[in-house]
Amino acid sequence: GENVEQHPSTLSVQEGDSAVIKCTYSDSASNYFPWYKQELGKRPQLIIDIRSNVGEKKDQRIAVTLNKTAKHFSLHITETQPEDSAVYFCAASNRPGGYNKLIFGAGTRLAVHP
Amino acid sequence: NAGVTQTPKFRILKIGQSMTLQCTQDMNHNYMYWYRQDPGMGLKLIYYSVGAGITDKGEVPNGYNVSRSTTEDFPLRLELAAPSQTSVYFCASSYLAGKGDEQFFGPGTRLTVL
Repeated sequence: GENVEQHPSTLSVQEGDSAVIKCTYSDSASNYFPWYKQELGKRPQLIIDIRSNVGEKKDQRIAVTLNKTAKHFSLHITETQPEDSAVYFCAASNRPGGYNKLIFGAGTRLAVHP
Repeated sequence: NAGVTQTPKFRILKIGQSMTLQCTQDMNHNYMYWYRQDPGMGLKLIYYSVGAGITDKGEVPNGYNVSRSTTEDFPLRLELAAPSQTSVYFCASSYLAGKGDEQFFGPGTRLTVL
């Protein structure tokens, strides 16, 4: 089955710096890769996603890149702000049977220091 | 729309007790999911449903049961609670395949089994 590995597990940056989180997946049939942000004590919320027919997607300060050959994808946050501090989860899915079966990475705890 | 709602928010069970975690969504989503999130870990899929009357096992189904009698409700039943079931439980829902992949999460239920 699919396995998703996420690195690093913790990341500490200064406000204004960039942050990069990387994930690798094992199932070459995976075709949907979302990123979720979870603030302390809150529910996970989708921040950006990418499909396998696209190499890069950007939304303001957040971007995701996908390398299908190497089976890895990354989240890039530029000009980080203290409110970006949270746990970020990557996930991969290949829609077996039509439903969106997400396999999550273990998460990255991002701390942005003022 | 209230989105995805879950009750209760917190619960403490004794070993061997049973309980039902409630989940309701008002977005007319066909797909619903139950995840557990252990401390410092990503989300693991317990069960999912592609529509009323149809459910199937996820990655970690042992010790749990589900039912889906209506589009809106997807309760999770714990029988004979064990300390290993101490976790935060999230319910989620999404549209039919082809109408968007985002999973919308509920606020979670924090369960402790002592």
